[in-house]
Amino acid sequence: EIVLTQSPGTLSLSPGERATLSCKASQSVNSRDLAWYQQKPGQAPRLLIYGASRRATGIPDRFSGSGSGTDLTLTISRLEPEDFAVYYCQLYGSSPPMYTFGQGTKLEIK
Amino acid sequence: QVHLQESGPGLVKPSGTLSLTCAASGASIGSDSWWSWVRQPPGKGLEWIGEVHPGGSPNYNPSLKSRVAISVDESKKELSLEVKSVTVADTAVYYCVRGAEYSWHYWGQGTLVTVSS
Repeated sequence: EIVLTQSPGTLSLSPGERATLSCKASQSVNSRDLAWYQQKPGQAPRLLIYGASRRATGIPDRFSGSGSGTDLTLTISRLEPEDFAVYYCQLYGSSPPMYTFGQGTKLEIK
Repeated sequence: QVHLQESGPGLVKPSGTLSLTCAASGASIGSDSWWSWVRQPPGKGLEWIGEVHPGGSPNYNPSLKSRVAISVDESKKELSLEVKSVTVADTAVYYCVRGAEYSWHYWGQGTLVTVSS
């Protein structure tokens, strides 16, 4: 089973700054199988990025996903107040079919 | 627009069976896409429980496989989840999700299930 490790655990930034969130896999992954979600308190997660770099419907272009192999990254180019939340990376594995999550990165206002 | 709604008892006794259903509008459960259940214990991260897809057998998280069953009632257009022999560790918000391209584009609002005597 591939393990996803997100860093940092907590990221403190100010609105307008750039946020870089890391998701490291314990072995090389197919970028097609990697997604990112945002979750605000009391809400269901929302899909931001799938296929490592494809924005989901309605997601602003300040959100971008990149990376390959074992190192995947979510970048928020210029933080808006509504971006402060918890972010999860998620991986699909096919043998056996399985979805795993990173432990999450909390993005908080500095 | 796809809307998913989970329903079921909010309280289950230890050693009992947790049963939830998910109804969808704007999508056809069972004949369209992949459908999963995901859960989140209070204050913790996300855990995939299992999935079903048209014409195939369900897939389950190996850590839960012995206790879980996911099915589709196409006549009612409902997705169901059963978790047997529950313990307090099964206390969580349970989400119904619709999948595509190895990710989950639509989520229900979630329903909290508490395991307690």
